[in-house]
Amino acid sequence: KAGVTQTPRYLIKTRGQQVTLSCSPISGHRSVSWYQQTPGQGLQFLFEYFSETQRNKGNFPGRFSGRQFSNSRSEMNVSTLELGDSALYLCASSQGGSGPQHFGDGTRLSIL
Amino acid sequence: AQSVTQLDSQVPVFEEAPVELRCNYSSSVSVYLFWYVQYPNQGLQLLLKYLSGSTLVKGINGFEAEFNKSQTSFHLRKPSVHISDTAEYFCAVTLPSGYSTLTFGKGTMLLVSP
Repeated sequence: KAGVTQTPRYLIKTRGQQVTLSCSPISGHRSVSWYQQTPGQGLQFLFEYFSETQRNKGNFPGRFSGRQFSNSRSEMNVSTLELGDSALYLCASSQGGSGPQHFGDGTRLSIL
Repeated sequence: AQSVTQLDSQVPVFEEAPVELRCNYSSSVSVYLFWYVQYPNQGLQLLLKYLSGSTLVKGINGFEAEFNKSQTSFHLRKPSVHISDTAEYFCAVTLPSGYSTLTFGKGTMLLVSP
């Protein structure tokens, strides 16, 4: 069974640009969550989608948004990029409920 | 709200020695508990989970953890570590409410030397 796939693996952008990250969950998983990982703040929850609906949202500004498609694939968008947005962005999928989440290898975003 | 404290940011240990990585959590309600491992340039891999039942949980790669409700702890142990266990380990909690939101500790870097 294929794992969680995130694309691209690496991305370099400049301040003020916007970026879209993609996540394909494990087949059959309907929940997709996004996390931001930085050396200073650690792992922080961004948002969770289940059956195309955002169920939960972390404490991030509105520049961070996401969506989920009918095939459960999810995208995350960050607009007006800031230097502090440099991070590893991790996607995780699960069947829903409080079952264990399975993580992708992440997209490393660097802002110049 | 829940919180997780990993008491050690780094744990150095020699190969074949035992190790314990400490995790304490705070929550006013029951939680589910997890340990994840992250190797360099990779995502998180689930080591083990505690949902209910036996307080001693066995995971992959020879790791185990013990849930202690009175001490609100979920320490991770391995009787004999290998060089390949060098990685960062994260303890996490979630509510049994049906929402997939994990709250993570800051992580413990396990450094295994020969």
